[in-house]
Amino acid sequence: QKEVEQNSGPLSVPEGAIASLNCTYSDRGSQSFFWYRQYSGKSPELIMSIYSNGDKEDGRFTAQLNKASQYVSLLIRDSQPSDSATYLCAVNEDSGYALNFGKGTSLLVTP
Amino acid sequence: GAVVSQHPSWVICKSGTSVKIECRSLDFQATTMFWYRQFPKQSLMLMATSNEGSKATYEQGVEKDKFLINHASLTLSTLTVTSAHPEDSSFYICSARAPPGTGVEQYFGPGTRLTVT
Repeated sequence: QKEVEQNSGPLSVPEGAIASLNCTYSDRGSQSFFWYRQYSGKSPELIMSIYSNGDKEDGRFTAQLNKASQYVSLLIRDSQPSDSATYLCAVNEDSGYALNFGKGTSLLVTP
Repeated sequence: GAVVSQHPSWVICKSGTSVKIECRSLDFQATTMFWYRQFPKQSLMLMATSNEGSKATYEQGVEKDKFLINHASLTLSTLTVTSAHPEDSSFYICSARAPPGTGVEQYFGPGTRLTVT
């Protein structure tokens, strides 16, 4: 069974620090990787996508992909209390259209 | 980014009645939409994949006769919860896949909170 694994947390970081969220996946054929943010009681919001090995930066967010090691990570620089949410890692399965979601990591940024 | 809407945003119904939830892609054509359910403090659970013009594909353990899905057009998919019971109370979220050839990411609607009394 293809799996996407995330530490459930909570991950607690002080305001201004770097938050590092990690995700591993089992399907070596996966091609597309996404990070979603979900605030409590709200639906997920796409914040980053990455398709090739290396880093991709967008504002305070950096996604990192290592296909050989089958992990993808999300770094949030200068973390703000408003970043407190659950972050979902999603992987596109090789064989079809569905995204395979991890269970999410809860991030708490403390003032 | 692509916009997906859902209606209603919340609904309260009595046990035994049916509830219809609409999911619309507002600025793109979505040949594929997905329906998820999320219980409090739990992860997203994919219920079914809805393809325009064909029958939905249900995940294991999801009753297709209870959760009726119709994807009649490229911008609209509906989920009908039939004979709802209190255990069906949950947060139902749809998503639409990016248009063919543009990517595989999914864009989520705002969700519908269903309470069955």
